[in-house]
Amino acid sequence: QVQLQQWGAGLLKPSDTLSLTCAISGESPSGYFWSWIRQPPGTGLEWIGDINLSGGTNYNPSLKSRVTISIDRSKNQFSLNLTSVTAADTALYYCARVLVTYGGIGVPYNWFDAWGQGTLVTVSS
Amino acid sequence: DIQMTQSPSSVSASVGDRVTITCRASQDIGTWLAWYQQKPGKAPKLLMSSSSKLQKGVPSRFSGSGSGTDFTLTISSLQPEDLATYFCQQANSLPYTFGLGTKLEIK
Repeated sequence: QVQLQQWGAGLLKPSDTLSLTCAISGESPSGYFWSWIRQPPGTGLEWIGDINLSGGTNYNPSLKSRVTISIDRSKNQFSLNLTSVTAADTALYYCARVLVTYGGIGVPYNWFDAWGQGTLVTVSS
Repeated sequence: DIQMTQSPSSVSASVGDRVTITCRASQDIGTWLAWYQQKPGKAPKLLMSSSSKLQKGVPSRFSGSGSGTDFTLTISSLQPEDLATYFCQQANSLPYTFGLGTKLEIK
């Protein structure tokens, strides 16, 4: 059973870079996409982006200019960098595994079937 | 982006009650919808994908239905451990988007 363990700095100042890492254990990461999702306090979830083992990425256009997701295959880890943070980036950040369902013509549809424990990141001066 | 609207935002029900939560998409998403359960202080858990496909280990009192723009999550007989916030998510197109959640309380 896959387990995701995440870590990173929890308190940042405006304009800092947010950096989080997620370690994958219990299953081979091959063949999956891996994602980052965040949840601002008391509200819903926002998909940030995802990456596969080959390094192919998809990003939310609302964050694309500031986001980089990378993967270290040798360590079975993937990471999130978000530059120039503001108070609006304060949130609980989760890493997650993407479960893919293929439609009738091979189009992938993605869900999130395993989650890390979450890291609260607060941006404050 | 596809907007996902859930209703109600909160609901209070008694053990044994039938509870229905709805999710509406701002455009046709076929059956490409998932439901998640988030218990207090925990990460979300995938309950259902493709509108009605129950994930392994999820109790059969949970069911999902709908296609196009209107979807429902039903708990047939509410149990105390179902206290949680429930989110829908569309997978039809990037960026994937979620509803704001429905908080389920036990009377």
